[in-house]
Amino acid sequence: EAQVTQNPRYLITVTGKKLTVTCSQNMNHEYMSWYRQDPGLGLRQIYYSMNVEVTDKGDVPEGYKVSRKEKRNFPLILESPSPNQTSLYFCASSLYGTAVNSPLHFGNGTRLTVT
Amino acid sequence: EDQVTQSPEALRLQEGESSSLNCSYTVSGLRGLFWYRQDPGKGPEFLFTLYSAGEEKEKERLKATLTKKESFLHITAPKPEDSATYLCAVTTDSWGKLQFGAGTQVVVTP
Repeated sequence: EAQVTQNPRYLITVTGKKLTVTCSQNMNHEYMSWYRQDPGLGLRQIYYSMNVEVTDKGDVPEGYKVSRKEKRNFPLILESPSPNQTSLYFCASSLYGTAVNSPLHFGNGTRLTVT
Repeated sequence: EDQVTQSPEALRLQEGESSSLNCSYTVSGLRGLFWYRQDPGKGPEFLFTLYSAGEEKEKERLKATLTKKESFLHITAPKPEDSATYLCAVTTDSWGKLQFGAGTQVVVTP
């Protein structure tokens, strides 16, 4: 089944403890992206990647890192999480990006709480 | 600054009561506008892409239209299973950035 898989689904951690949220897709998609979703603010793009070793900042990249060493994986790294990073995170992928007719496929989200 | 604004924030409909959701945008050089549906506890699911003013797309009870300043998502004779949050998003480049509105939460009661 074609899907985007995020892990974990739920994560509670403490301020300053490094964490990684994994994202994997099995559709051979070129483009992958991370978003956070907060009430009243909608989905905001954190980072995106157009291909292996090619990444760029979205609208809210501060406090986050990403890497794209393999086509199928796009982990999100929080080196020193803070409470304002408590949010619902989504990973998404598409065949060729955003402006051609290749829709985004989203994972089911990771709910992160930083205390 | 680029902005995407959705209205209303929430909409409660009776089954069969048609209505429209609005997505207005102020961006330079729109390359595409997208509609997604999001169910509670799940990631958004793609509905439509619109590329140019005057374009229309339909899928079952949903119809999306695009002008130079806004897009509408029309829900005709909705059913309870149409209850969801509807998100619109815009892109101004070919590859990377995608900006979402805050969404409209739709509840359809029997």
